Amino acid sequence: KNEVEQSPQNLTAQEGEFITINCSYSVGISALHWLQQHPGGGIVSLFMLSSGKKKHGRLIATINIQEKHSSLHITASHPRDSAVYICAVSRYGGSQGNLIFGKGTKLSVKP
Amino acid sequence: GAGVSQSPSNKVTEKGKDVELRCDPISGHTALYWYRQSLGQGLEFLIYFQGNSAPDKSGLPSDRFSAERTGGSVSTLTIQRTQQEDSAVYLCASRIPYTGRGANVLTFGAGSRLTVL
Repeated sequence: KNEVEQSPQNLTAQEGEFITINCSYSVGISALHWLQQHPGGGIVSLFMLSSGKKKHGRLIATINIQEKHSSLHITASHPRDSAVYICAVSRYGGSQGNLIFGKGTKLSVKP
Repeated sequence: GAGVSQSPSNKVTEKGKDVELRCDPISGHTALYWYRQSLGQGLEFLIYFQGNSAPDKSGLPSDRFSAERTGGSVSTLTIQRTQQEDSAVYLCASRIPYTGRGANVLTFGAGSRLTVL
């Protein structure tokens, strides 16, 4: 079993829909990252969080430390949101850079 | 520079040859990371540099892999005696000191695609 699991693996949505991507992890962590990988391969860091909730534009990330679970929400989705969304965690007691990555969720938003 | 710069963007080499991949982080970013993404696989941690601290090399897959960071800036990832399984996109990222504003954000380079024939 992978230490970081994401669901769903693939997601297709219509423009305007509310989207949720889930991430569960099995290790103690110091931080959790959400990354976005565009079709061309470029990776953008969306959030780093260790508790609570963060919001940036139409993106919201939440984390529940007790349940070892995080969600990434996209409100009013748009075709330009189509990308692979990757969850990654840094293990508690490990170095900040030693991230364990999920396999990603491929999102496709149709116009 | 404005972003994290990696070179070469593409490298094709023959099995057994050595390769060097370069990462030029954003000026002032003391943390530097190397990851790789193999075809159809997820991202994998390789090595992490933080300021003058000893690097975390725990992700390097074999002793054929090494990395150095000179003067706290440019980093070079070296793969000796390349094998076909080394074919992947090698990604570099950097981040400002942890206590700084925007410290949560990792900035990734575009990657170096390595193909070992």
